[in-house]
Amino acid sequence: GDSVTQMEGPVTLSEEAFLTINCTYTATGYPSLFWYVQYPGEGLQLLLKATKADDKGSNKGFEATYRKETTSFHLEKGSVQVSDSAVYFCACYMDTGRRALTFGSGTRLQVQP
Amino acid sequence: NAGVTQTPKFRILKIGQSMTLQCTQDMNHNYMYWYRQDPGMGLKLIYYSVGAGITDKGEVPNGYNVSRSTTEDFPLRLELAAPSQTSVYFCAAGQVSGNTIYFGEGSWLTVV
Repeated sequence: GDSVTQMEGPVTLSEEAFLTINCTYTATGYPSLFWYVQYPGEGLQLLLKATKADDKGSNKGFEATYRKETTSFHLEKGSVQVSDSAVYFCACYMDTGRRALTFGSGTRLQVQP
Repeated sequence: NAGVTQTPKFRILKIGQSMTLQCTQDMNHNYMYWYRQDPGMGLKLIYYSVGAGITDKGEVPNGYNVSRSTTEDFPLRLELAAPSQTSVYFCAAGQVSGNTIYFGEGSWLTVV
């Protein structure tokens, strides 16, 4: 079945540092790819998405590019803020079979002032 | 914009009790899902539904039941609660294309 692998956390950065959170997927076919963010005590919010190879999703300064050749969708941000502290989940979605999101285990980001 | 609404937000159950987590959506989406999130883990799919009257098992269905009598509602039933069901439960809804799936705010359940 489909699976998503994320780098383990926590990731601790100083404010204004560069962020990369790695994500790779395994799927039979060409899934849509997503990053969700979960702030403490809250539900999941869609951060960005890409639906086909070479698409770049972006939102709030975060970016991720759908790389079919490396089956990856790494999340990046040029300058993180304390308010970015949260758990980030990578997910894939196939438009066949269950038609449900498959999630990675999540990466906790802590940004220090 | 209500989106996906879950109730209750917090609940403590004793071992062997039963309860229903309610989920309703006002977006007229066909697909609905229940996930559970264990501490430090990703979300695991419990059950899903592709439309009213149709439900199917996800990765971790044991100990749960669902029904989908209307497009709007997708309740999750826990029978004979066990400590292993202590988790955060998320309901979600999306369109057939799956381009965007919207999540509720979560229900924190503790079984003691």
